[in-house]
Amino acid sequence: EPEVTQTPSHQVTQMGQEVILRCVPISNHLYFYWYRQILGQKVEFLVSFYNNEISEKSEIFDDQFSVERPDGSNFTLKIRSTKLEDSAMYFCASSGTGLTNEKLFFGSGTQLSVL
Amino acid sequence: GENVEQHPSTLSVQEGDSAVIKCTYSDSASNYFPWYKQELGKRPQLIIDIRSNVGEKKDQRIAVTLNKTAKHFSLHITETQPEDSAVYFCAASPNNNNDMRFGAGTRLTVKP
Repeated sequence: EPEVTQTPSHQVTQMGQEVILRCVPISNHLYFYWYRQILGQKVEFLVSFYNNEISEKSEIFDDQFSVERPDGSNFTLKIRSTKLEDSAMYFCASSGTGLTNEKLFFGSGTQLSVL
Repeated sequence: GENVEQHPSTLSVQEGDSAVIKCTYSDSASNYFPWYKQELGKRPQLIIDIRSNVGEKKDQRIAVTLNKTAKHFSLHITETQPEDSAVYFCAASPNNNNDMRFGAGTRLTVKP
């Protein structure tokens, strides 16, 4: 089965630093998503992306966050100035057309630790 | 926005028994309800989903029911096995996976 891949698997950063989390969605998928999961808590929607623009974003996705599809394969999440509370597992996901409710494929996640 | 409530937060059953996890949602526009299984340290994996035009769906030992009027949906696992032990999340989406909201999760433990 095709997979969403994420790098790095672990990222440690100092508070105030910028981080970029990288994802390679499944190649023929058109919709891309970022979710986060604070340890022991629920998976939280951050943002969805289609046709080179944000489709939806949650209240968590403030001005410190941005997403980009810099080329035909990568999808990135940037946090400009990390805070301690940004420490979480960040999951990228993708789906096919998005026109019908389709299966979301999750990546294996990037564990971000902000010190 | 959508708010999904999930109960119970923890559930312990004996191997072979059934397990039921219940969720409610707030947005009547939600039309897609997936269930995810997440093993420790791993990604969420879709195990079953149901759309709003269907009241029940079954896949081997797993079934999901949906009551749109009451805005609740449930996951039923029969003949539970130790490998069913994981955290299960329900989710609801009003707009084709956009803005999908997850429940808080249920930690299921199946005792051999």
